[in-house]
Amino acid sequence: DTAVSQTPKYLVTQMGNDKSIKCEQNLGHDTMYWYKQDSKKFLKIMFSYNNKELIINETVPNRFSPKSPDKAHLNLHINSLELGDSAVYFCASSQSGGSGANVLTFGAGSRLTVL
Amino acid sequence: AQTVTQSQPEMSVQEAETVTLSCTYDTSENNYYLFWYKQPPSRQMILVIRQEAYKQQNATENRFSVNFQKAAKSFSLKISDSQLGDTAMYFCAFMRRFSQGGSEKLVFGKGTKLTVNP
Repeated sequence: DTAVSQTPKYLVTQMGNDKSIKCEQNLGHDTMYWYKQDSKKFLKIMFSYNNKELIINETVPNRFSPKSPDKAHLNLHINSLELGDSAVYFCASSQSGGSGANVLTFGAGSRLTVL
Repeated sequence: AQTVTQSQPEMSVQEAETVTLSCTYDTSENNYYLFWYKQPPSRQMILVIRQEAYKQQNATENRFSVNFQKAAKSFSLKISDSQLGDTAMYFCAFMRRFSQGGSEKLVFGKGTKLTVNP
């Protein structure tokens, strides 16, 4: 059973299009994240949610809109895609409190290519 | 703001030998966690080891161990008996100890690409 699953794993699209990436975790965690890994492999947080509430919103363009319908799901919608959005997007989850606090479990990543 | 520096962009080691990856960080916090994550060619981010800053004892996980020097803000990873499957990007990361879930973020270094040669 995959703990944190993202779909799709690969996404190729044209500039200007709108696309979504979905994430689900079956670990019972209360916190979920989106991280972006650029072409140089640098990882940086975009958003975090705790029990469906937006907690961290880094300086990300408004074209990126996360949505958390429940604490097991966190989706990322991107409007008007640009070439610079090409990257690997990682979903992750963690449980606040307890012995496993601060330990993030990552999904396999979604590689977005904008042409 | 916290920063994490990995000064070795690439390293290589022979199978069965030992290699040490360096990491330094900058913070004014006293309560935090440090991590090493591994990213093999499959792209999956895998937790290798975690260190809690208030613990003086260095964390170990099988062939992986850390040398945590809090005063020097240094957190190196030692891989013993290197295996071909250890070939991957290795990321050092920092996170403050949080009070509210989701309120803290993992801050990553730029990574070290490790190649284990047969």
